[in-house]
Amino acid sequence: GESVGLHLPTLSVQEGDNSIINCAYSNSASDYFIWYKQESGKGPQFIIDIRSNMDKRQGQRVTVLLNKTVKHLSLQIAATQPGDSAVYFCAETGGNQFYFGTGTSLTVIP
Amino acid sequence: GAVVSQHPSRVICKSGTSVKIECRSLDFQATTMFWYRQFPKQSLMLMATSNEGSKATYEQGVEKDKFLINHASLTLSTLTVTSAHPEDSSFYICSARDFAGIQETQYFGPGTRLLVL
Repeated sequence: GESVGLHLPTLSVQEGDNSIINCAYSNSASDYFIWYKQESGKGPQFIIDIRSNMDKRQGQRVTVLLNKTVKHLSLQIAATQPGDSAVYFCAETGGNQFYFGTGTSLTVIP
Repeated sequence: GAVVSQHPSRVICKSGTSVKIECRSLDFQATTMFWYRQFPKQSLMLMATSNEGSKATYEQGVEKDKFLINHASLTLSTLTVTSAHPEDSSFYICSARDFAGIQETQYFGPGTRLLVL
């Protein structure tokens, strides 16, 4: 079946630096992608989404990049803050089913 | 974004009892809701898809008689863990689809921590 995976299970960054979290997907038919943030003991929180007709989308301090050629998705967090420490995972869908990646644990070092 | 709530947020129960968890979409109607289970430091595991007005669709390996799902209205789905045992202790998360504009997005509830003694 379809799978969504992440390149790095853990990531540590210095406070103030930029973070980049990557995600690979395998279903070429997927046309909608979402990044979620999950803090410890809480449910996943929607961060930003992107449709396949776009390559880049920016939010507040976050940017999602989509490379359909290599089926790669990334989340960039600018000026990472301690409150950004969490697990981030991507999701893809091409229709009814959403597929979620395993997640990357981001730790921000003060 | 859309808001999904869960109740209770945390529950401790004795082995053999049943526990009901509610999932509500607060500002939108959701014909489809999903129930997930998550163990520490692991990813979400889809248990079942809850469809309003019809039977839930369970993932392979999930016992439908143990995890009863009811989606009686467009804003409420319930998951009942029947005859709970310690191995059922986990973090249960629901999500709901909100079709707003041109794209459905899935929003998650805050989760329910279940501890079975």
